[in-house]
Amino acid sequence: DAGVIQSPRHEVTEMGQEVTLRCKPISGHNSLFWYRQTMMRGLELLIYFNNNVPIDDSGMPEDRFSAKMPNASFSTLKIQPSEPRDSAVYFCASRLTKAKGVIGELFFGEGSRLTVL
Amino acid sequence: QKEVEQDPGPLSVPEGAIVSLNCTYSNSAFQYFMWYRQYSRKGPELLMYTYSSGNKEDGRFTAQVDKSSKYISLFIRDSQPSDSATYLCAMSAQVTGGFKTIFGAGTRLFVKA
Repeated sequence: DAGVIQSPRHEVTEMGQEVTLRCKPISGHNSLFWYRQTMMRGLELLIYFNNNVPIDDSGMPEDRFSAKMPNASFSTLKIQPSEPRDSAVYFCASRLTKAKGVIGELFFGEGSRLTVL
Repeated sequence: QKEVEQDPGPLSVPEGAIVSLNCTYSNSAFQYFMWYRQYSRKGPELLMYTYSSGNKEDGRFTAQVDKSSKYISLFIRDSQPSDSATYLCAMSAQVTGGFKTIFGAGTRLFVKA
């Protein structure tokens, strides 16, 4: 079975450029998460979708960040304009959230390592 | 104050030692408690998953949850060099529309042969 697929794996860009990160969750999963990982702040939750609907975006650092989930099999995280402090590893994760508050295991992709010069 | 606090380490132990990793949390709404293991340049992978207070054992790993103290632990017995990784605690709380999952900062563990 294919796991969570993220692209690109590595991205190096210059300050001010637009960055788009992509994620394909595991088929059948109905919850999708975007996290950012840095040495200083660890793994931070940016935004969480349930059934393609954004549920909690309180972790999105500022208006330069936006995320979409147009269908159950695709999500994007966009940074425009990018800044050096956005350099981090961005992880996408998905899981099956069942009825009556039962949640399954959270599966992570391999991450997208972003460097903004 | 962060919702989940975890000492980042690093923690260095000799092979065969018992390792104790801990997290504290402030939100009493957390219902699910997990430990993830992350190897260098990889995504985190689930190691242990518990729902209620008490102990859960899986091979050399034991997870403990104390909801009254808002404290969770992971014990690794007979640690091996292959256990060297970053260990992240994670907790899930129900919010409107679903469950959100928050992670601790992760503790880097080194097991020396």
